[in-house]
Amino acid sequence: DTEVTQTPKHLVMGMTNKKSLKCEQHMGHRAMYWYKQKAKKPPELMFVYSYEKLSINESVPSRFSPECPNSSLLNLHLHALQPEDSALYLCASSHPTRPSTQYFGPGTRLLVL
Amino acid sequence: GENVEQHPSTLSVQEGDSAVIKCTYSDSASNYFPWYKQELGKGPQLIIDIRSNVGEKKDQRIAVTLNKTAKHFSLHITETQPEDSAVYFCAVITQGGSEKLVFGKGTKLTVNP
Repeated sequence: DTEVTQTPKHLVMGMTNKKSLKCEQHMGHRAMYWYKQKAKKPPELMFVYSYEKLSINESVPSRFSPECPNSSLLNLHLHALQPEDSALYLCASSHPTRPSTQYFGPGTRLLVL
Repeated sequence: GENVEQHPSTLSVQEGDSAVIKCTYSDSASNYFPWYKQELGKGPQLIIDIRSNVGEKKDQRIAVTLNKTAKHFSLHITETQPEDSAVYFCAVITQGGSEKLVFGKGTKLTVNP
């Protein structure tokens, strides 16, 4: 089983809203990732959690706040977003013995109005 | 940092033909080279990967070749089918302790029936 699940599938929010994206995997993976993907572009890394600790933050604005409450869950809290933040947000995970091999979820399509 | 070039950006083939997508990278220390397939509205799916100690890897109709001296690797799809139509991304793992994927810009493959 190489399934990463993400909820919601679609999200529309205003610039003053607070919302959260959720990601879950039950493969025993200990690294989890958030990526942002704009249309017709490759995924761009935002954050990496390794063993529930934030190990990489790619200089992402503070209106994006990640959280890893346990080894299976990864959240991305959104607040005061801008229209240019509209994108597909992808979660991925990888196993400790093969950290290079990342498995992606289906993504959350976010529209900021 | 690592730079990955991917060509072509679009590729159209007839069903049954072969398709080849090429990527070059800049960091000679890179040692892991995955290929992802992304269908419309879905997250990237890992389809094949290769490590630097191997020159070629095959899985049914898809194969990847790696030339470390020239710093390029290629995806080969034989006997293409309409369901192969998707965007394909090559990627490289950067070195230095962080498992950060650097993606090419993608190739949109269209297989015409």
